[in-house]
Amino acid sequence: DAKTTQPPSMDCAEGRAANLPCNHSTISGNEYVYWYRQIHSQGPQYIIHGLKNNETNEMASLIITEDRKSSTLILPHATLRDTAVYYCIVHDNFGNEKLTFGTGTRLTIIP
Amino acid sequence: EPEVTQTPSHQVTQMGQEVILRCVPISNHLYFYWYRQILGQKVEFLVSFYNNEISEKSEIFDDQFSVERPDGSNFTLKIRSTKLEDSAMYFCASSIGTANSPLHFGNGTRLTVT
Repeated sequence: DAKTTQPPSMDCAEGRAANLPCNHSTISGNEYVYWYRQIHSQGPQYIIHGLKNNETNEMASLIITEDRKSSTLILPHATLRDTAVYYCIVHDNFGNEKLTFGTGTRLTIIP
Repeated sequence: EPEVTQTPSHQVTQMGQEVILRCVPISNHLYFYWYRQILGQKVEFLVSFYNNEISEKSEIFDDQFSVERPDGSNFTLKIRSTKLEDSAMYFCASSIGTANSPLHFGNGTRLTVT
């Protein structure tokens, strides 16, 4: 799996959009970008994933650059409950392969 | 929404004792995993399991560890003789197994070895 680089920490004001960047310059053509988060030692929670098109679901939006070397996870209206560690993982998943977690970005939502 | 459930939420054991951590994956999922997280460190892969056998295991998953799916619903992790350094959160995960299907994690068992 390709390596990812994320800032170690970020703050965002409650109600604002939180934009979490991720660099994955060595991503290969069949690797997807996955985002998970971990709220205070709970189990990691799947958020969203994408290959090359932008994706949106009820939790977040994922914007992937055209060259696929970076992406941004957007939480459109951050709440205090979004305070967590966010992991960007590049993964070539044919159904069975493990995920490899890095250190992620610790996002703190400020009231 | 279906979820992965783990029991117990917290287990305290003495060094050298055997422990069994239990997980009920999502019912139509076919691939199962154990991860662990030592306090303040990364989430680390231990083992993956499919079709009643281990698919992949990490260096951490030595002879002291074993996994089993004893019936159609439970997935267990056994540590035969616990060490102090086994103290960690242990997370079970499952996936449906189709290409690019995400993993769904339980909320973990906190294992404390004294």
